[in-house]
Amino acid sequence: GAVVSQHPSWVICKSGTSVKIECRSLDFQATTMFWYRQFPKQSLMLMATSNEGSKATYEQGVEKDKFLINHASLTLSTLTVTSAHPEDSSFYICSARDAERETGDTQYFGPGTRLTVL
Amino acid sequence: SQQGEEDPQALSIQEGENATMNCSYKTSINNLQWYRQNSGRGLVHLILIRSNEREKHSGRLRVTLDTSKKSSSLLITASRAADTASYFCATAVTGGGNKLTFGTGTQLKVEL
Repeated sequence: GAVVSQHPSWVICKSGTSVKIECRSLDFQATTMFWYRQFPKQSLMLMATSNEGSKATYEQGVEKDKFLINHASLTLSTLTVTSAHPEDSSFYICSARDAERETGDTQYFGPGTRLTVL
Repeated sequence: SQQGEEDPQALSIQEGENATMNCSYKTSINNLQWYRQNSGRGLVHLILIRSNEREKHSGRLRVTLDTSKKSSSLLITASRAADTASYFCATAVTGGGNKLTFGTGTQLKVEL
């Protein structure tokens, strides 16, 4: 149980285009999902917290108009990188928290999406 | 800024040996979690230890937490080549709303 999927697993796009990444909790409901980015050989940096039915909470330094987050249902959150540029190339990972489980503090991570902007 | 600093940054051992990784953090926490990441993949949750716990075991994994020193260690016993991965500690800061702050990570290589 507690499986989180991401789609696509990798995407290559031209500079200036927008890219949408989906994060789904497959066998549980996630009122809260988190979006991270990871540069090569570095740690994960939290970008934003996505709350079902309300606006996302962004970390300091993360542009909310650049990284649009929508959490329209209890099993789906999307991250849209708008007007992508080469510096947005990164590994984007989502996680979901199953608040109903006994181990409600555990976050379950998706497999990640590698974005390359040309 | 990174809440957790891990050492060593990289560790290379022989199969069968034990591997120990350390994590230090700066602020009060609710819990500390350890994750494994294989190259280019997502994270796999290994173990969670709460602030009122001092030691926890799961299979070949042993985690300790010293809140007075703001540090934790992950011990992998009888390591296998399949344990080769990056290991991250992550802290849930008190009052942080379940957000996790990740450490810098330790790259473990287990050689045959």
